Amino acid sequence: EPEVTQTPSHQVTQMGQEVILRCVPISNHLYFYWYRQILGQKVEFLVSFYNNEISEKSEIFDDQFSVERPDGSNFTLKIRSTKLEDSAMYFCASSEGTGFHPGTDTQYFGPGTRLTVL
Amino acid sequence: SQKIEQNSEALNIQEGKTATLTCNYTNYSPAYLQWYRQDPGRGPVFLLLIRENEKEKRKERLKVTFDTTLKQSLFHITASQPADSATYLCALNTGTASKLTFGTGTRLQVTL
Repeated sequence: EPEVTQTPSHQVTQMGQEVILRCVPISNHLYFYWYRQILGQKVEFLVSFYNNEISEKSEIFDDQFSVERPDGSNFTLKIRSTKLEDSAMYFCASSEGTGFHPGTDTQYFGPGTRLTVL
Repeated sequence: SQKIEQNSEALNIQEGKTATLTCNYTNYSPAYLQWYRQDPGRGPVFLLLIRENEKEKRKERLKVTFDTTLKQSLFHITASQPADSATYLCALNTGTASKLTFGTGTRLQVTL
């Protein structure tokens, strides 16, 4: 069964450094997402991406964050200058994007990248 | 402010019993409500979606109800098994956009 994959599984970085988290969504999906989950807290939406542009973003997704689809298969999240509070599990998700309402799409989540900022 | 609350941090039940998990929301008008399962260190896995005009949805041992008047969804697992032990998340979507807003989750522990 097709699945979303993410690399690396664990990333450790120093505060102020840039990190790029990588995701390979399911191949025929058109909508891509990033969510994060701080340890012990709820899953929070960061950004959705459709047709090569940001569809929606949350207040968490400030100028330090950017997303890119550099080729036909990868979807990346870049954090320009990491802060301690960026430490979290980051989940990529994708959905078919063919439903009349995007809310009916099932989102398939990857296994996550655990980001630790020291 | 918008809030999604799920009942109790942990729910312990005996194998074979029915587990009932609650999701309550305030200041929100979801068009769709979804339930996900999350195992430790893993991403959420989709289980069921119910629309605002649907009262109940079933899939195998799972049943979801949605009451937009009470602003509540109930998630039932019948004939529970130890393998059902996980955290269960409810997530709301307004229907006009793709973003999911998740609740805090309920950890279910099914014991023999």
